[in-house]
Amino acid sequence: AQKVTQAQTEISVVEKEDVTLDCVYETRDTTYYLFWYKQPPSGELVFLIRRNSFDEQNEISGRYSWNFQKSTSSFNFTITASQVVDSAVYFCALSGMGNTGFQKLVFGTGTRLLVSP
Amino acid sequence: DVKVTQSSRYLVKRTGEKVFLECVQDMDHENMFWYRQDPGLGLRLIYFSYDVKMKEKGDIPEGYSVSREKKERFSLILESASTNQTSMYLCASSLSPGTSGDGYTFGSGTRLTVV
Repeated sequence: AQKVTQAQTEISVVEKEDVTLDCVYETRDTTYYLFWYKQPPSGELVFLIRRNSFDEQNEISGRYSWNFQKSTSSFNFTITASQVVDSAVYFCALSGMGNTGFQKLVFGTGTRLLVSP
Repeated sequence: DVKVTQSSRYLVKRTGEKVFLECVQDMDHENMFWYRQDPGLGLRLIYFSYDVKMKEKGDIPEGYSVSREKKERFSLILESASTNQTSMYLCASSLSPGTSGDGYTFGSGTRLTVV
């Protein structure tokens, strides 16, 4: 079975602090993809990043960075110098075939990030 | 700009009513998905479809059915709405199977309240 665990339900930080959102996944697939999505209060899911299982290079995009470690089945997301606009629910997700033969996207339960001024 | 459109943003229905949630995509995607989102539970897959007239159960299909008569449209049906189906419903689409990991595009969601 495929599973994504986001153990942090809610994180509160003060603006300019760095924050890391944890994501641990389970899959038996050798080929799979990992995603992070942001859901601001407006409700729409905003795509942030996609990584495939063969590419363990860390990625940085502005204040965002992602650390993919296959050895620990983790795909953590760090926001540097957080801002109030970063307040949202963040979802980690896994796309793989599992035992169904069909590609589908499985989500974690989300981490609510509150950034206060 | 590619789009997934859900027909209603907010919907209020009575217990026992038959409810249709409509989703249309303009990207010629083969795959379409229905999720429901509840606090503390994340997004859970209800049904998905990889082709016209084809459907597969997701993780929580009970109380729901779907219809895909045309490639661009995927409907979620609540045969007899119940209060525990009050939730946010999200539709998504993606490219064909085998092209693993292609982007999933989500609609804005329909917040359904069953009273």
